[in-house]
Amino acid sequence: EVQLVESGGGLVQPGRSLRLSCTASGFTFGDYPMIWVRQAPGKGLEWVGFIRSKAYGGTTEYAASVKGRVTISRDDSKSIAYLQMNSLKPEDTAVYYCGREIGGSYFVQAWDHWGQGTLVTVSS
Amino acid sequence: SYVLTQPPSVSVAPGQTARITCGGNNIARKSVHWYQQKPGQAPALVVYDDAARPSGIPERFSGSNSENTATLTISRVEAGDEADYYCQVWDTFSDHVVFGGGTKLTVL
Repeated sequence: EVQLVESGGGLVQPGRSLRLSCTASGFTFGDYPMIWVRQAPGKGLEWVGFIRSKAYGGTTEYAASVKGRVTISRDDSKSIAYLQMNSLKPEDTAVYYCGREIGGSYFVQAWDHWGQGTLVTVSS
Repeated sequence: SYVLTQPPSVSVAPGQTARITCGGNNIARKSVHWYQQKPGQAPALVVYDDAARPSGIPERFSGSNSENTATLTISRVEAGDEADYYCQVWDTFSDHVVFGGGTKLTVL
């Protein structure tokens, strides 16, 4: 059974950093692109970024709203994807979800498995 | 950047058909995916590649994509279908993932 578990969320002051983890099990983690999506309270889903598998260079892409402040990485030996967030702002307050791409190819399409999310609150 | 436009809300009586649209420029050239999200839960994929269903998703959920509008159709709507629905594409030009703003489906 595919499982994704996010961790690392919590209360953080503006300007500080936080690293979220997405621990995967039940599939060959290294074969799949992984995505981070967030959802501010009462708002819709917002794409944060994704990372491709090493077979396709492990390339990353980020939303304009976070580019330059976040970095997605992966440790295939541990089956973990990371979201490093720096210079956090109150508007980064959201539930952060990680997801797995459906097909494991370069062409990142649908995301068929998701974690339960972890809440990040940025406030002084 | 590519934009997907969804109606904020759709209401339907039980047993009727709900249609949720997702507008985008030449969206028919892209693969559209749909997610269902119930309160307090993670999103769940219900339709991918315009019209395919993941295993476990009822046949009542179907999708189509033509010209500038993709549509998620839910037949014989049940109370349990009440949720927020999001469309999503991968914009090959920017290599970015794009979500629509979401549609709240209310079952009357």
